[in-house]
Amino acid sequence: EIVLTQSPGTLSLSPGERATLSCRASQSVASDSFAWYQQRPGQAPRLLIYSASFRATGIPDRFSGSGSGTDFTLTISRLEPEDFVVYYCQQYDSSPMYTFGQGTKLEIK
Amino acid sequence: QVQLQESGPGLVKPSETLSLTCGVSGYPISNGYYWGWIRQPPGKGLEWIGSIYWTGNIYYNPSLKSRLNISVDTSKNQFSLKLSSVTAADTAVYYCVRPKEGFNIFFEHWGQGLLVTVSS
Repeated sequence: EIVLTQSPGTLSLSPGERATLSCRASQSVASDSFAWYQQRPGQAPRLLIYSASFRATGIPDRFSGSGSGTDFTLTISRLEPEDFVVYYCQQYDSSPMYTFGQGTKLEIK
Repeated sequence: QVQLQESGPGLVKPSETLSLTCGVSGYPISNGYYWGWIRQPPGKGLEWIGSIYWTGNIYYNPSLKSRLNISVDTSKNQFSLKLSSVTAADTAVYYCVRPKEGFNIFFEHWGQGLLVTVSS
């Protein structure tokens, strides 16, 4: 099973700043099998980025994804107040198996 | 616009079987895609449980496979989850999901989630 480790666990920033969230895989992951989700309190997760770098429908362009192999990054260029929630990375392998990272909480500094 | 809605009991006794159904509207299950279940224990992360195709082809999380049964009913446009011998560790919000259009591996459509508590 591929394990995804997100860092940091909590990221403290201010609105308007740039956020960089990391997800590291225990084995190489195909870029077209990697995604990021956002979860607001009390809500279901929302797909943000798929295939490592493509924004899902309706996602603002301040969100971007990059990376390959074992290291992937979610960047939020200018933080808005509504962005201070939890983010998860996810991968799919051909076992088949889907795994998620443990999450990064983005909090207001 | 595809919509998913979980239903079932919110409280299950230890050692019993958790049974949930996901009703789908706005899209016929038989049109394709693997329809799945994901859970999230309170305050914790996400765990994929399993996914089923309308033909009945199923993928299970190996860690749950021995206790798990997922089925589909195309006549009712719904799919179901049964998890046997539950313990407190199975307490979670259970989500039913459908992948993004054109893909089978990214979860774009989610139900609102149903909290299931395992307790006597």
